[in-house]
Amino acid sequence: NAGVTQTPKFQVLKTGQSMTLQCAQDMNHNSMYWYRQDPGMGLRLIYYSASEGTTDKGEVPNGYNVSRLNKREFSLRLESAAPSQTSVYFCASSVPGLVSEAFFGQGTRLTVV
Amino acid sequence: GESVGLHLPTLSVQEGDNSIINCAYSNSASDYFIWYKQESGKGPQFIIDIRSNMDKRQGQRVTVLLNKTVKHLSLQIAATQPGDSAVYFCAEKSDYKLSFGAGTTVTVRA
Repeated sequence: NAGVTQTPKFQVLKTGQSMTLQCAQDMNHNSMYWYRQDPGMGLRLIYYSASEGTTDKGEVPNGYNVSRLNKREFSLRLESAAPSQTSVYFCASSVPGLVSEAFFGQGTRLTVV
Repeated sequence: GESVGLHLPTLSVQEGDNSIINCAYSNSASDYFIWYKQESGKGPQFIIDIRSNMDKRQGQRVTVLLNKTVKHLSLQIAATQPGDSAVYFCAEKSDYKLSFGAGTTVTVRA
């Protein structure tokens, strides 16, 4: 049982480049999330998808787009990467009635130079 | 600003002692308060949660206390072990969203 799988694990981008972070879960969860983690700031919610077919902005959505491709997959896209987007990105999923118990992936460490 | 925060960024504990990690929150509308543990290089892992209408909940070696009067949440770890060394985050749930505090790094001394 893989849980939540994120790809890639590491990525270096040049300013202005675009990329998509992939996330897939095999727990049949309805809700999925993207967070970014910066030193001393905890995790901040970028976007979330309460169920397949819906997406909503979180705390820090600017510069990002998301796609809930199907129930398993939730991708995060950076259209024009900026150094301020250097961070560790985490995908998570949960059962709607048990949102407090979210399952996180291993993270993607992104550096924008 | 952040609605969830921790009192201290670091905590050093002797192995075998009890640990207490504190957190202050400001959003009284949250329906759950949660503790997560993050080990180096890994994603956060759920430890325990408490519903907003409760004041205490116990798990295996952990106890969460909620004081709504002063908007304070704490995590107590009994008989701290080296494997408890990690960053601990408090979080609050409102609708489908979890809001996290900045984290407390716990170091266990042998």
